[in-house]
Amino acid sequence: GQNIDQPTEMTATEGAIVQINCTYQTSGFNGLFWYQQHAGEAPTFLSYNVLDGLEEKGRFSSFLSRSKGYSYLLLKELQMKDSASYLCAVRDGEGGSYIPTFGRGTSLIVHP
Amino acid sequence: DTGVSQDPRHKITKRGQNVTFRCDPISEHNRLYWYRQTLGQGPEFLTYFQNEAQLEKSRLLSDRFSAERPKGSFSTLEIQRTEQGDSAMYLCASSPPPGSETQYFGPGTRLLVL
Repeated sequence: GQNIDQPTEMTATEGAIVQINCTYQTSGFNGLFWYQQHAGEAPTFLSYNVLDGLEEKGRFSSFLSRSKGYSYLLLKELQMKDSASYLCAVRDGEGGSYIPTFGRGTSLIVHP
Repeated sequence: DTGVSQDPRHKITKRGQNVTFRCDPISEHNRLYWYRQTLGQGPEFLTYFQNEAQLEKSRLLSDRFSAERPKGSFSTLEIQRTEQGDSAMYLCASSPPPGSETQYFGPGTRLLVL
């Protein structure tokens, strides 16, 4: 199985930059996902990393280091609507499983 | 709206009753997942279908839970003899054949067991 660790809560100011970290332990790493989830809504896909490095998509970027078991989600030019829970999910391909395991999520509060 | 629909959106039931939820995935998606989520937690995997075949099932899943996807399209999740601990959001997600890794989640069914 996987152990996924991410901070429970973070706060940031509108217009600023915030980095949400995720560390994990797997026996057969096969991809890492970031999802955004607003309160009472379903998760929506943000990014997928399977190779080391930075993936940039508009205001959001995701970084992966497989050797360190570490990823971060970087949010730039924060907006109030970015207040949400950010879920890190890791897929362990050992045994042929394609099922991502989710962390508990990081609740981000953006204030004016 | 991701294109994945779930019905009902809310369900209140008494302990001991059976409930059934339905998920309609995006039509060309052959992979379908059920998750359960409680407040302050991430989604917890329940079961996975590829077409009509149930390929994975969580070891944490009680035998009171059963899921089907008879024609490889919609899926149902049934909980028998519900318990208060079953109260949660039940999420369905679908994804296309391997090559695209995105899971598209439905709006969920919120279950409250009294």
